Amino acid sequence: AQSVAQPEDQVNVAEGNPLTVKCTYSVSGNPYLFWYVQYPNRGLQFLLKYITGDNLVKGSYGFEAEFNKSQTSFHLKKPSALVSDSALYFCAVRQTDSWGKLQFGAGTQVVVTP
Amino acid sequence: NAGVTQTPKFQVLKTGQSMTLQCAQDMNHEYMSWYRQDPGMGLRLIHYSVGAGITDQGEVPNGYNVSRSTTEDFPLRLLSAAPSQTSVYFCASRSGGGPRYEQYFGPGTRLTVT
Repeated sequence: AQSVAQPEDQVNVAEGNPLTVKCTYSVSGNPYLFWYVQYPNRGLQFLLKYITGDNLVKGSYGFEAEFNKSQTSFHLKKPSALVSDSALYFCAVRQTDSWGKLQFGAGTQVVVTP
Repeated sequence: NAGVTQTPKFQVLKTGQSMTLQCAQDMNHEYMSWYRQDPGMGLRLIHYSVGAGITDQGEVPNGYNVSRSTTEDFPLRLLSAAPSQTSVYFCASRSGGGPRYEQYFGPGTRLTVT
């Protein structure tokens, strides 16, 4: 079985400050990890993914995420948040030997204030 | 490329009515899936397909049917709508190259069952 936890329902940050959205996962075997973002009344957009190799992954819009196998975490980060980063962020995991099922976290609402 | 398209964008049904949510993709993706999004629960997988003629159940399949007669189309049928099926429905597709690939999401269908 696989599961994802996003411990914060909402993250509030001032524009220009660093942004971190937390994600921990549970999977038997090696994981593929993904971050998606959802803007209001829109579908999900892919941000970045960890497949293998370098633990620090860079993605779209200046976001990056760090894979930590010992802590089973994949936190999303951005050095300097923008008001336009305000959105709903989802972490997702898929077992490397699982053809189909992608398990999503409950989502974290990010609010960036001017 | 239009990507993943969904129709309708909004729908209101009465309890007991049936309807079909349409999903199409023009990326020649083998893998397609349907999710429902409910507040605080992330996205939950309803059904998925790994290619034309092949479908399987996800996490919450009850009350829904799917079929996949072509690579492009993956309709979701609600057999007898219930208020518990009030949700936002997303269709997604990805390359058939394997589980390491990210999914592309449609804009969603907001369904209300009264």
